[in-house]
Amino acid sequence: DSGVTQTPKHLITATGQRVTLRCSPRSGDLSVYWYQQSLDQGLQFLIQYYNGEERAKGNILERFSAQQFPDLHSELNLSSLELGDSALYFCASRGTSGANVLTFGAGSRLTVL
Amino acid sequence: AQSVTQPDIHITVSEGASLELRCNYSYGATPYLFWYVQSPGQGLQLLLKYFSGDTLVQGIKGFEAEFKRSQSSFNLRKPSVHWSDAAEYFCAVGAPGAQKLVFGQGTRLTINP
Repeated sequence: DSGVTQTPKHLITATGQRVTLRCSPRSGDLSVYWYQQSLDQGLQFLIQYYNGEERAKGNILERFSAQQFPDLHSELNLSSLELGDSALYFCASRGTSGANVLTFGAGSRLTVL
Repeated sequence: AQSVTQPDIHITVSEGASLELRCNYSYGATPYLFWYVQSPGQGLQLLLKYFSGDTLVQGIKGFEAEFKRSQSSFNLRKPSVHWSDAAEYFCAVGAPGAQKLVFGQGTRLTINP
């Protein structure tokens, strides 16, 4: 158990729908990262939050949004889903002295039918 | 911007044989370098990291990696693989002070009994 908790583990939905993925970072970690893993794109960085504020943005679609709450958990919202959004979505957290060392959760597998 | 290339998509070795997984990075200065392992259905687990100093770093599960600045490489090695090493291996690079890690496409390792 890495200490990073992601829910749900699996999610099946239809095109056009909206889903929310949740992440709780390791205790004490202030930074949360979201990555998307797909067969054709590999591991792509989506977005990072630090103590509630957005710090870095990667290849995140406009249909996707995220936020980090005061209790430091984070949610990734995916809307107007398309077949190509089917992927494994990972959350990772980083401590204040972690120097880029990310601890990953087990991921949320999204299937869009 | 930094990038990572893992030239081998899939490698098969026999149990007990030695292993070397290749990783080449692109970055203008000395980056932070990482190897992560992903077992089926699991998140990514950190095997080892290089920040500075000794160019040969030891990690968990008997793995080691060597940073070679002249070749922009950070190859992962293990002298004798076990069946439990079958997994996907990811090399990643981070710029000191930057927020994110950039991952390679991964190398899938299969172990023959």
